[in-house]
Amino acid sequence: EVQLVESGGGFVQPGRSLRLSCAASGFTFDEYAMHWVRQAPGKGLEWVAGISWNSGRVGYADSVKGRLTISRDNAKNSLYLQINSVRAEDTAFYYCAKDFLGSWLALFDYWGRGTLVTVSS
Amino acid sequence: EIVMTQSPATLSVSPGERATLSCRASQSVSSNLAWYQQKLGQAPRLLIFAASTRATGIPARFSGSGSGTEFTLTISSLQSEDFAVYYCQYYDNWPPRVTFGQGTRLEIK
Repeated sequence: EVQLVESGGGFVQPGRSLRLSCAASGFTFDEYAMHWVRQAPGKGLEWVAGISWNSGRVGYADSVKGRLTISRDNAKNSLYLQINSVRAEDTAFYYCAKDFLGSWLALFDYWGRGTLVTVSS
Repeated sequence: EIVMTQSPATLSVSPGERATLSCRASQSVSSNLAWYQQKLGQAPRLLIFAASTRATGIPARFSGSGSGTEFTLTISSLQSEDFAVYYCQYYDNWPPRVTFGQGTRLEIK
């Protein structure tokens, strides 16, 4: 059974940094691209970042480019999202999502339950 | 940037009836269209990809159609567990071109 478990969310002050993690199991992690999708409370879905199986392709939404960094450690079956200079608009549930393909398709066939990031002073 | 527009924003349907949700792309996306279901407090779940292919474990009452710019998700006979928010999504290979629609809330009439 595919499982994706996010962690690292919580309250953070504006301007600080935060690192989210996603622990994957139930599939061969190093064969698939992975992504982060966020959802502000009561709002819609927004893709923010993705990374191919070997980290050869890394992409970001224009709205977050330069502040967010996605990475992965295939030896640890883990995905990460570094958020720098957090802003109020970063307040959201952050979901880890598995890609249908290894190279990149951005079709999300499995999702974690999400971790909530709340930016507040 | 391709914009995905869903209609209606809210759809009220009685259990057992058919529901039809629409998604329009601002330019052709071929058949690179997925539908997700999100229940309150849960993560989204993939229902349909390639515009009309059901994902693993998705009941046959869910069907997708369309290509190019106009797409439809049909739920043939609504069950109580189907009342949720539904999102369409454009996806593609590199470079990144990921866009979600704003969602349609399907509620009990």
